[in-house]
Amino acid sequence: GQNIDQPTEMTATEGAIVQINCTYQTSGFNGLFWYQQHAGEAPTFLSYNVLDGLEEKGRFSSFLSRSKGYSYLLLKELQMKDSASYLCAVMDSNYQLIWGAGTKLIIKP
Amino acid sequence: TAGITQAPTSQILAAGRSMTLRCTQDMRHNAMYWYRQDLGLGLRLIHYSNTAGTTGKGEVPDGYSVSRANTDDFPLTLASAVPSQTSVYFCASSDETGDVNEQFFGPGTRLTVL
Repeated sequence: GQNIDQPTEMTATEGAIVQINCTYQTSGFNGLFWYQQHAGEAPTFLSYNVLDGLEEKGRFSSFLSRSKGYSYLLLKELQMKDSASYLCAVMDSNYQLIWGAGTKLIIKP
Repeated sequence: TAGITQAPTSQILAAGRSMTLRCTQDMRHNAMYWYRQDLGLGLRLIHYSNTAGTTGKGEVPDGYSVSRANTDDFPLTLASAVPSQTSVYFCASSDETGDVNEQFFGPGTRLTVL
């Protein structure tokens, strides 16, 4: 079966750095996505990786290792507004997104 | 730009009743999707449409039907609602002609079936 694993919840301090991991087992791979979802709102796109390596976008970076079935989202200089759930999703061989359950990130002052 | 709109925002429905959740996008995206989101689970695909006039089944299609008469609209119908269909429903769209093809989500419909 297809599976996306990520931690249920993480806590970090304002101004610090946090890394959210995602491991996957899917039938085929056509890219990995990270989305941010604030409570009661819709998911919004953060990043996309299809090749191995690091993609940087401001305070957010995402890393992919296809051989290990592994990705992480790195958030730097954490702000209170970064408190949200972070969803990892993999596009499978049918070009459909398989979603993890999300990691709830709690930022403390 | 409105992006994607969904209606209603929330609804309480008696079991056995039918209901249509509406979704409209103004981005001229060819692909559209319906997901449900339940606590502790990832988003699960109900139905999708790669282009107007075509639809396909996702991971959890039973009890739901869709139509795609034009590019902009993708309604989701529950023919006879059951309590297990209590969920938050998200509609999404994507432009499949690009390199990334990220999905854009509507604000969601919170449905409670009693």
